[in-house]
Amino acid sequence: ETGVTQTPRHLVMGMTNKKSLKCEQHLGHNAMYWYKQSAKKPLELMFVYSLEERVENNSVPSRFSPECPNSSHLFLHLHTLQPEDSALYLCASSQAQRDGGELFFGEGSRLTVL
Amino acid sequence: KNQVEQSPQSLIILEGKNCTLQCNYTVSPFSNLRWYKQDTGRGPVSLTIMTFSENTKSNGRYTATLDADTKQSSLHITASQLSDSASYICVVVSGGSYIPTFGRGTSLIVHP
Repeated sequence: ETGVTQTPRHLVMGMTNKKSLKCEQHLGHNAMYWYKQSAKKPLELMFVYSLEERVENNSVPSRFSPECPNSSHLFLHLHTLQPEDSALYLCASSQAQRDGGELFFGEGSRLTVL
Repeated sequence: KNQVEQSPQSLIILEGKNCTLQCNYTVSPFSNLRWYKQDTGRGPVSLTIMTFSENTKSNGRYTATLDADTKQSSLHITASQLSDSASYICVVVSGGSYIPTFGRGTSLIVHP
């Protein structure tokens, strides 16, 4: 138990569906992240919310949209996805600080797009 | 461009044997380096952190080394166990940033 909970753990969706991934952290951290993990590739940072500031990877398609209503909750809204979006989506939190705090990851949401 | 390269990509060893995983980085300026362990189907978990002034640090059977001059780190696993089968990811943070750079990971399989 890392203190970061992701739901659902598994999701299968068609390309025309709209779904959301949810992440909740119980560690009192002030930064939350979405990462995409594809086979044989490094973890790819998608979005960061830190101290009410949002940082995003400009290469992430607009069919992914994050939402961070407070410092404990993070969502990733998915719409009109493509099969190549199938991957493990990892949420993480940290105490944002210069020179990087330890990232605490959730168990991930395994997404399959048909 | 900040990069982290890991080798080997995959490794198979017998239970009880030792192994060493390598990490080379071009992140600059360097702040710290972490090794994470990721079990299949789980999120990564931090094993150890190395800062600029540290050369070696141990966490049980795991020993990490850092050579800041050559920008290399290694993770040595002693007396491997079946539970060591996982992906080991090297992560480097640049000074003044809180966003890390990830390596692709080394997949370790320990056979009985």
